[in-house]
Amino acid sequence: AQSVAQPEDQVNVAEGNPLTVKCTYSVSGNPYLFWYVQYPNRGLQFLLKYITGDNLVKGSYGFEAEFNKSQTSFHLKKPSALVSDSALYFCAVEGIRGGKLIFGQGTELSVKP
Amino acid sequence: GAGVSQSPRYKVAKRGQDVALRCDPISGHVSLFWYQQALGQGPEFLTYFQNEAQLDKSGLPSDRFFAERPEGSVSTLKIQRTQQEDSAVYLCASTASGTALASYEQYFGPGTRLTVT
Repeated sequence: AQSVAQPEDQVNVAEGNPLTVKCTYSVSGNPYLFWYVQYPNRGLQFLLKYITGDNLVKGSYGFEAEFNKSQTSFHLKKPSALVSDSALYFCAVEGIRGGKLIFGQGTELSVKP
Repeated sequence: GAGVSQSPRYKVAKRGQDVALRCDPISGHVSLFWYQQALGQGPEFLTYFQNEAQLDKSGLPSDRFFAERPEGSVSTLKIQRTQQEDSAVYLCASTASGTALASYEQYFGPGTRLTVT
């Protein structure tokens, strides 16, 4: 079965420092991987996706993610964190039957000034 | 035009009541998904429509849950005889893809927070 794991419930970063939010996946076949962000009382917003091609994927708001097949990881990164990046981040993989997304538990990112 | 909208945003139901949650997808979007997000958890898939056809309902937790999209646009998720464990945020998402490929990103609504007392 397709699944993703986010090993950290919370990540704390100082503003201006680089941030990493971790995600590992388990899939049969080639993975379609996604990162979404959720702000309080708002729906999930798409950040970026990996379908095929370059292992480094660039997305919205300066975020990027690195697909690592050998480590089955898809970590989200940003070179310099902003206080406004504080939110809940979800990694997701496409389900076997296509279309539906299978989400991780989420990681709360807190960026302090 | 506007993004995905959902109504009501908040719903309080007494145990045993029926509820109906509405989703208005982005105009022209072919595919529509419903997810359930329990407190502190990631969203979990409930069901999927391509136009008016419900192609996957494998995530519906019980026969008390029913979804429809009769004209291929607006969708309604109905929960009969609500139970406390139904308390969650119900998210709707749509995508332009007609083939349900996740290579097309899903656009999510703000969700409906259902509280069953």
